[in-house]
Amino acid sequence: EPEVTQTPSHQVTQMGQEVILRCVPISNHLYFYWYRQILGQKVEFLVSFYNNEISEKSEIFDDQFSVERPDGSNFTLKIRSTKLEDSAMYFCASSATRLNTGELFFGEGSRLTVL
Amino acid sequence: ELKVEQNPLFLSMQEGKNYTIYCNYSTTSDRLYWYRQDPGKSLESLFVLLSNGAVKQEGRLMASLDTKARLSTLHITAAVHDLSATYFCAVDTQGGSEKLVFGKGTKLTVNP
Repeated sequence: EPEVTQTPSHQVTQMGQEVILRCVPISNHLYFYWYRQILGQKVEFLVSFYNNEISEKSEIFDDQFSVERPDGSNFTLKIRSTKLEDSAMYFCASSATRLNTGELFFGEGSRLTVL
Repeated sequence: ELKVEQNPLFLSMQEGKNYTIYCNYSTTSDRLYWYRQDPGKSLESLFVLLSNGAVKQEGRLMASLDTKARLSTLHITAAVHDLSATYFCAVDTQGGSEKLVFGKGTKLTVNP
């Protein structure tokens, strides 16, 4: 069964360092998302991406964050200068169609720990 | 701003019993999703409810959606230990948005 894959599964970094989280969405999907979940809390939307551009972003997704799809398969989330409060599980998700008609498939997540 | 409230947040139940988890949301939407999350794992899609009155069942779980009441329920029938997990509902914000707003989750523990 097709799945969304994410790497790394866990990354530990020092505050102020840049981090790139990588995702390979399901191959025929067109809509891509990043969500995050701080430990023990609810899942929060960060950004959606379609047709090689951001379609929507949340207040959390400030100038420290960026996304891109560099090669047609990978979908990356970059945090330019990490803060302690960026420690969370980051989930990539993809969908074949617009959300209002389809299902969202999540990857296994990348746990980011900022020290 | 769309708010999604789940209750209860914690549920401990005996095997074989029935129970219902509730998901209320604050603004109009006719698309609601239920996910299961095991500790340290990803979100597994359980149900996608796309219209008022939608009812879906899979094994011991049944989900329904009442868009007029802005309420979805996840009913557990004859619970078994394997159902222990955290269950999230998520609501599509509509209006062209691609964003899902999640509830805080219900941590279900099924005791033998």
